[in-house]
Amino acid sequence: TQLLEQSPQFLSIQEGENLTVYCNSSSVFSSLQWYRQEPGEGPVLLVTVVTGGEVKKLKRLTFQFGDARKDSSLHITAAQPGDTGLYLCAGGMGNFNKFYFGSGTKLNVKP
Amino acid sequence: EAGVVQSPRYKIIEKKQPVAFWCNPISGHNTLYWYRQNLGQGPELLIRYENEEAVDDSQLPKDRFSAERLKGVDSTLKIQPAELGDSAVYLCASSSSIYGYTFGSGTRLTVV
Repeated sequence: TQLLEQSPQFLSIQEGENLTVYCNSSSVFSSLQWYRQEPGEGPVLLVTVVTGGEVKKLKRLTFQFGDARKDSSLHITAAQPGDTGLYLCAGGMGNFNKFYFGSGTKLNVKP
Repeated sequence: EAGVVQSPRYKIIEKKQPVAFWCNPISGHNTLYWYRQNLGQGPELLIRYENEEAVDDSQLPKDRFSAERLKGVDSTLKIQPAELGDSAVYLCASSSSIYGYTFGSGTRLTVV
């Protein structure tokens, strides 16, 4: 059983469209991370959020941590082919640097 | 600065054979992790080190898996004997804080 559920599992969109992917859990996390992973490579950390309700922006990417610290969303504005990849969320518990990963959202942005 | 370095990148072995993976973390990162990632899934933690001490190995199948981190720097993960179900990507990561998590490129293991 996955501690974190990500949706949708797959998303295929045209360049220029906006999209949102979700990361949900019934558990409370002390922090939440988002990663992007390309084929044959390890995940690359995009952001870490630690406060309920926190919003962080990274160029065209907007990350939000839910008020109750159980869920998060990633919104991409005007998607580009370079955004293609597997987006993973990971919830951290306690002070032990232990993170639990979701199964990911596979995004394909078509030119 | 070099990132987390893993070797080999790919390994194909027959079942029941031993295999070992090596990881060199980012200099100064005290925390080192080994994860396993099955196809279509997120990474699952196998073991976490703080310096040379394994502080969380609850997910490590200890009957066939072993790991060590000598002098709190490099680490090796070993499987002996390998089973078909061990085919996966084995990822090493290191961190200095929750804001500085860095993964290596992984070792793709195929057991035939």
